[in-house]
Amino acid sequence: GAVVSQHPSRVICKSGTSVKIECRSLDFQATTMFWYRQFPKQSLMLMATSNEGSKATYEQGVEKDKFLINHASLTLSTLTVTSAHPEDSSFYICSARAEGLDTGELFFGEGSRLTVL
Amino acid sequence: AQSVAQPEDQVKVAEGNPLTVKCTYSVSGNPYLFWYVQYPNRGLQFLLKYITGDNLVKGSYGFEAEFNKSQTSFHLKKPSALVSDSALYFCAVRPYQAGTALIFGKGTTLSVSS
Repeated sequence: GAVVSQHPSRVICKSGTSVKIECRSLDFQATTMFWYRQFPKQSLMLMATSNEGSKATYEQGVEKDKFLINHASLTLSTLTVTSAHPEDSSFYICSARAEGLDTGELFFGEGSRLTVL
Repeated sequence: AQSVAQPEDQVKVAEGNPLTVKCTYSVSGNPYLFWYVQYPNRGLQFLLKYITGDNLVKGSYGFEAEFNKSQTSFHLKKPSALVSDSALYFCAVRPYQAGTALIFGKGTTLSVSS
């Protein structure tokens, strides 16, 4: 199946700093990638839809200036958490749908555990 | 509003027994339905999907799911549970519009005892 690589898997940062998380589709192209956030023992909350070559579409309640998304190529999307605070600590998961293979399922990265001190 | 419901937070079964993890959905139009599994601190792994065709869908690791349109359900099943099946299971639906993200249920923790 299609492979999505996410990096880093774990990151600890100080409050006020910025953290970048990368999401790569390794063996397929993805015009669209999705960023989810997962709180402990909770479901996945869609944060934004990342579109290659254009601005991301953010879900209601998600601060676009805090969670910067860049989708510069067909295989890479990045999520930057700016001026991180402890409440931003969470598990962030990216996903992608393979182009030309619209059978519906998303392929997920392994997730990135962010801890803000 | 389009949504997915997983009514059970936790399901416990003994190894070797059959298991069922329930899911109901509410979407407009014909849905695409999915099941994913998540192990601790990992991403989601795709198990199976229903798009069209036979109502009984077979997927990875011996799992299957039955699509029931009249009951708007898509329950996950396995005839004989393994301890290694213990994980968090998510049901998801994709609205019929192309390019849209999946909507996930809240998840059900499956615990299989030896």
